[in-house]
Amino acid sequence: NAGVTQTPKFRVLKTGQSMTLLCAQDMNHEYMYWYRQDPGMGLRLIHYSVGEGTTAKGEVPDGYNVSRLKKQNFLLGLESAAPSQTSVYFCASSTQGIRNQPQHFGDGTRLSIL
Amino acid sequence: SQQGEEDPQALSIQEGENATMNCSYKTSINNLQWYRQNSGRGLVHLILIRSNEREKHSGRLRVTLDTSKKSSSLLITASRAADTASYFCATVPSGNTPLVFGKGTRLSVIA
Repeated sequence: NAGVTQTPKFRVLKTGQSMTLLCAQDMNHEYMYWYRQDPGMGLRLIHYSVGEGTTAKGEVPDGYNVSRLKKQNFLLGLESAAPSQTSVYFCASSTQGIRNQPQHFGDGTRLSIL
Repeated sequence: SQQGEEDPQALSIQEGENATMNCSYKTSINNLQWYRQNSGRGLVHLILIRSNEREKHSGRLRVTLDTSKKSSSLLITASRAADTASYFCATVPSGNTPLVFGKGTRLSVIA
């Protein structure tokens, strides 16, 4: 099993450009999450989904949109990239029960906005 | 906002020594989880301890939880160079909210 796969692994964008980060999981997990990790800040939750067709805002949702059209995929979009969005983005998934289940992480997408 | 805060921020020890990391949190929790992150990789779940548990073991890992002090500790015994990583605590606050991660402890184990 691949687990959680993130695409792409690296990307450099110019300010104002748009892009979509893809997360795919093959564990049939209901819950999926997008985090960003910045130096000295730990992981902060951007958006999450409790099932196909649902999304919810996390701690830092501004400037991002998400979609969960298929259970196995969770997309993170940046409509107009800003330098403040330079970060490492992690996707994670878990089985039903966000309160008790451990999360499984991908290896991240390193995004630089110039 | 960060719920858990790890202490120390960084720790350097010799191979074979024990490593202890602490996590303090602010509000009541349902459970607390510890994760490891190797450089350039995603987080890996290590252990989950529920609010009604006081201690849990997994291999060389020992986790304690003191809900009265709102704190937890992770002990790695007989550390190895391969244990070099960042360690994060994550809490599930009471209520229907997802995990909240701390800022992590960077552990360096010197061979």
